[in-house]
Amino acid sequence: DTEVTQTPKHLVMGMTNKKSLKCEQHMGHRAMYWYKQKAKKPPELMFVYSYEKLSINESVPSRFSPECPNSSLLNLHLHALQPEDSALYLCASSQPGRTSHDTQYFGPGTRLTVL
Amino acid sequence: AQKITQTQPGMFVQEKEAVTLDCTYDTSDQSYGLFWYKQPSSGEMIFLIYQGSYDEQNATEGRYSLNFQKARKSANLVISASQLGDSAMYFCAMREEHGGSQGNLIFGKGTKLSVKP
Repeated sequence: DTEVTQTPKHLVMGMTNKKSLKCEQHMGHRAMYWYKQKAKKPPELMFVYSYEKLSINESVPSRFSPECPNSSLLNLHLHALQPEDSALYLCASSQPGRTSHDTQYFGPGTRLTVL
Repeated sequence: AQKITQTQPGMFVQEKEAVTLDCTYDTSDQSYGLFWYKQPSSGEMIFLIYQGSYDEQNATEGRYSLNFQKARKSANLVISASQLGDSAMYFCAMREEHGGSQGNLIFGKGTKLSVKP
């Protein structure tokens, strides 16, 4: 069983809606990640939080707004999305340290459909 | 140039047989990690196995083993005794200690494995 949980599993929203994706990890990790994955493609990194501070933003449009309230929670706030934003959104966590050796553990993902 | 190359878009294997999924990588960093993930149709990315660049032994985890050939920059995943539940997309990934990727995971394009009964 994964120790990274994500809610909701599925989300359908209109282009004018505001919604949030939630991620929680119980492994004591201090780095958390959001990825976007389109069908039949590898995941693309969106944001990285390290020790609750945003460390990487991969030029993601401002309609995606991440938030890290504490070391075990990560949110992704969505507003005014476009249909092309429909994708699987994956959260992951890892223990910062010797970067190349840190394993990222992923949650089950949220399948987002924007109408 | 791609940093992670998976040349097999799709593979078929008979149940109970072994299968090798290919992965080659490109880095000038001396310290890096190689990872394999499994992604069933449900979407979750499941960590399978890790190999560090300084590890002399090939990594093994149950039915999974990593055939690490450093000089050839290859990190092939071997699945022994395939099961129907092994049908999934498999991603090879790399993290560099000092490279331009800032320590982020670099994924290959994936190989879709189908296990036939």
